[in-house]
Amino acid sequence: QVQLQESGPGLVKPSQTLSLTCTVSGGSITSGPYYWNWIRQHPEKGLEWIGYVYYTRSTEYNPSLKSRVTMSVDTSRNQFSLQLRSVTAADTAIYYCARGYSSNLVPWYFDYWGQGTLIIVSS
Amino acid sequence: DIQMTQSPSTLSASLGDRVTITCRASQNINRWLAWYQQKPGKAPKLLIYKASTLQSGVPSRFSGSGSGKEFTLTISSLQPDDFATYYCLQYDTYPWTFGQGTKMENK
Repeated sequence: QVQLQESGPGLVKPSQTLSLTCTVSGGSITSGPYYWNWIRQHPEKGLEWIGYVYYTRSTEYNPSLKSRVTMSVDTSRNQFSLQLRSVTAADTAIYYCARGYSSNLVPWYFDYWGQGTLIIVSS
Repeated sequence: DIQMTQSPSTLSASLGDRVTITCRASQNINRWLAWYQQKPGKAPKLLIYKASTLQSGVPSRFSGSGSGKEFTLTISSLQPDDFATYYCLQYDTYPWTFGQGTKMENK
């Protein structure tokens, strides 16, 4: 069974860049029909989709974050990553990586999630 | 962005109750809707996709229905493990968006 595990710094200073990595085990990141997502959850609040990256390096981002986000994939390590630039306190959240299922190359729902990692933006 | 509105925000129910949560989309999303269950400190778990298809391993007491703009998640007989927060997700149009959540509480 596929498993996802986020790793990251925990604490990031305002204006800096948040970098997170998700390691996928139990399956190859290049196997279709899957694509690889980042989703965040602000404390005691709802869920926000950040974007996805496909193993071909194609991406789709939420327009609300697009100017600050870059996602990438490292097929040799079976990992994908998120960079979020110029962070503020509003970026404090639990960040999840999640596998997305696609049908006929059309992305669908998220079926497996990592456990999540809390990122606090504070000086 | 497509707004997803869930109701109620909180639902107080007892073991064995039949409960229904509603999710309304601000525009037509056909049947591109999923339901998730989240427990405190855990990641969301997929229950249903394409509005009514039960994810493998999910108990049959969970069911989904709807199309277009209105959808429901029903639990036919509430069990102790079902006290959690439930979210809907639309994956019809970017950016994908979630409902604000419905917290299931023990009455």
